[in-house]
Amino acid sequence: NAGVMQNPRHLVRRRGQEARLRCSPMKGHSHVYWYRQLPEEGLKFMVYLQKENIIDESGMPKERFSAEFPKEGPSILRIQQVVRGDSAAYFCASSPSSNSYEQYFGPGTRLTVT
Amino acid sequence: DQQVKQNSPSLSVQEGRISILNCDYTNSMFDYFLWYKKYPAEGPTFLISISSIKDKNEDGRFTVFLNKSAKHLSLHIVPSQPGDSAVYFCAASADTGTASKLTFGTGTRLQVTL
Repeated sequence: NAGVMQNPRHLVRRRGQEARLRCSPMKGHSHVYWYRQLPEEGLKFMVYLQKENIIDESGMPKERFSAEFPKEGPSILRIQQVVRGDSAAYFCASSPSSNSYEQYFGPGTRLTVT
Repeated sequence: DQQVKQNSPSLSVQEGRISILNCDYTNSMFDYFLWYKKYPAEGPTFLISISSIKDKNEDGRFTVFLNKSAKHLSLHIVPSQPGDSAVYFCAASADTGTASKLTFGTGTRLQVTL
């Protein structure tokens, strides 16, 4: 019973490049959340998606960041033209339904922008 | 604006004793609370949760207490074990009718000593 999968686990990008982070939710889960953790801080909500729909993107920066959860395949968090301030750990979580408050997290992708 | 606060960044407890981790919140709309445990380089692991209609929830060595009037909750671990050494995050979800984003505190690093 695989948990939430994220890849890559580590990603290094130069300033100006694009970063693509992938998340496969737990089997049977159709709700995906993305969070970002900066050093010495708690996790900050970015976006909540269901299959093919963005439900809440109130935590997403207005520019350069986008997310999708297609009908088939993993959820993707895309960061265009990365800057040093984007360096952080990005965590994906999933839940089985809109009635479930518990979210189950993946191991995270650590993005380093050089 | 930190809506969920964990004012103790670290806590050291002897093995076998009780660990008490505290969390305060400011948003009256929060109605569901969760505790997560996090090891370095891993994603948060769900521990225990409590709905605002309860004041206590227990699961093995872990008990969460909620004082809604004081907007305060605490996690008790008894007896503490060396494997409990980790960072503990308090999280809250607001009443929107369905599950929604989690708002996290900044975490408390627990060290259980021999």
